Amino acid sequence: DVKVTQSSRYLVKRTGEKVFLECVQDMDHENMFWYRQDPGLGLRLIYFSYDVKMKEKGDIPEGYSVSREKKERFSLILESASTNQTSMYLCASSEHGGSYEQYFGPGTRLTVT
Amino acid sequence: QQQVKQSPQSLIVQKGGISIINCAYENTAFDYFPWYQQFPGKGPALLIAIRPDVSEKKEGRFTISFNKSAKQFSLHIMDSQPGDSATYFCAAGRGGTSYGKLTFGQGTILTVHP
Repeated sequence: DVKVTQSSRYLVKRTGEKVFLECVQDMDHENMFWYRQDPGLGLRLIYFSYDVKMKEKGDIPEGYSVSREKKERFSLILESASTNQTSMYLCASSEHGGSYEQYFGPGTRLTVT
Repeated sequence: QQQVKQSPQSLIVQKGGISIINCAYENTAFDYFPWYQQFPGKGPALLIAIRPDVSEKKEGRFTISFNKSAKQFSLHIMDSQPGDSATYFCAAGRGGTSYGKLTFGQGTILTVHP
């Protein structure tokens, strides 16, 4: 059974803190994605990676960075958390070519106070 | 820029009824149109998908209708059940160097009353 896991289900951080969200997939997928989900806005792509150490900006990269040192792990970093980054963060993975199907983790609900 | 527009934002249907969710896209380079289903506390999961070379795809009670000229596609859920209550997202993607990136719609919260 395919699996994408995220390090935390709920996280509360203070404004200005550095925040790390971790995602691990066990499907040997090349592509990994970070989205944020907000009511009425759907899923918006923050960053994605198509290979180890490779990354590309998505639609809303401002205030975020990512790291992919190993194929199975993709980290989202909030350098200095702000209240407008309070959201649900979803990680997904997919394989190169063939099906476009993305497999999602359960999400991390981040609250920045 | 929202390239995929989804409506309605929420939908209430009686058990046994038909649920219809609509999406419209702008980029004619899109060549893959999936629907994802998300239950509370879970990540989205692929429900059904279509490519633009067909106008309809059916899987059980779920059907995608696709209108290439109008750049629209819709999800029909026949004989809707309370267990179908979830958030539904349409999406659009394209191959080549896009690495399977998807652009998602805004989501529809479906509630099916018993």
